[in-house]
Amino acid sequence: GENVEQHPSTLSVQEGDSAVIKCTYSDSASNYFPWYKQELGKRPQLIIDIRSNVGEKKDQRIAVTLNKTAKHFSLHITETQPEDSAVYFCAASTNNDMRFGAGTRLTVKP
Amino acid sequence: NAGVTQTPKFRVLKTGQSMTLLCAQDMNHEYMYWYRQDPGMGLRLIHYSVGEGTTAKGEVPDGYNVSRLKKQNFLLGLESAAPSQTSVYFCASSRDSFQETQYFGPGTRLLVL
Repeated sequence: GENVEQHPSTLSVQEGDSAVIKCTYSDSASNYFPWYKQELGKRPQLIIDIRSNVGEKKDQRIAVTLNKTAKHFSLHITETQPEDSAVYFCAASTNNDMRFGAGTRLTVKP
Repeated sequence: NAGVTQTPKFRVLKTGQSMTLLCAQDMNHEYMYWYRQDPGMGLRLIHYSVGEGTTAKGEVPDGYNVSRLKKQNFLLGLESAAPSQTSVYFCASSRDSFQETQYFGPGTRLLVL
């Protein structure tokens, strides 16, 4: 089955800096790659997603890139703010499965 | 519009006891999912449903059963709870495929002693 690896497991940045989280997947049938943000004690919420026919997608301070050949995808957050502090999960989906990475705990220091 | 709701919020069980977790959604979504979340392991798919009356196994289905008798409800059952099933359980729904936004419920924290 699919295996999604996510790095780093923890990331600490200064407010205003950029943060990058990277994921790899193993199943070439994966065609949808969402990113979820989970604040402490809360439910996961989608922040951005990308489909296999697109290489890059941007939404304000958040961008995601996908390299299908290398089976890599990454989340980029620019101009980080304290409210960006949370756990971020990448995921890879086929038509009948969704696998999540283990998560990255991002801390943005004021 | 409540979105996705789950009951109960928290439960303590003894080993061998049974219980049912209820998930409800009011968005008319076809797909519904049950995940478990354990520290350091992200979310793992237990079972899912692609429509009323259907169920299918996910990555970690052993020890769980599900039912989708009504489109808006998805039930997760534990017939004989084990300490390894101590976890936070999240229900989610999406419009009509795995490739759509999944909307999560608030979670149920389960402790099996």
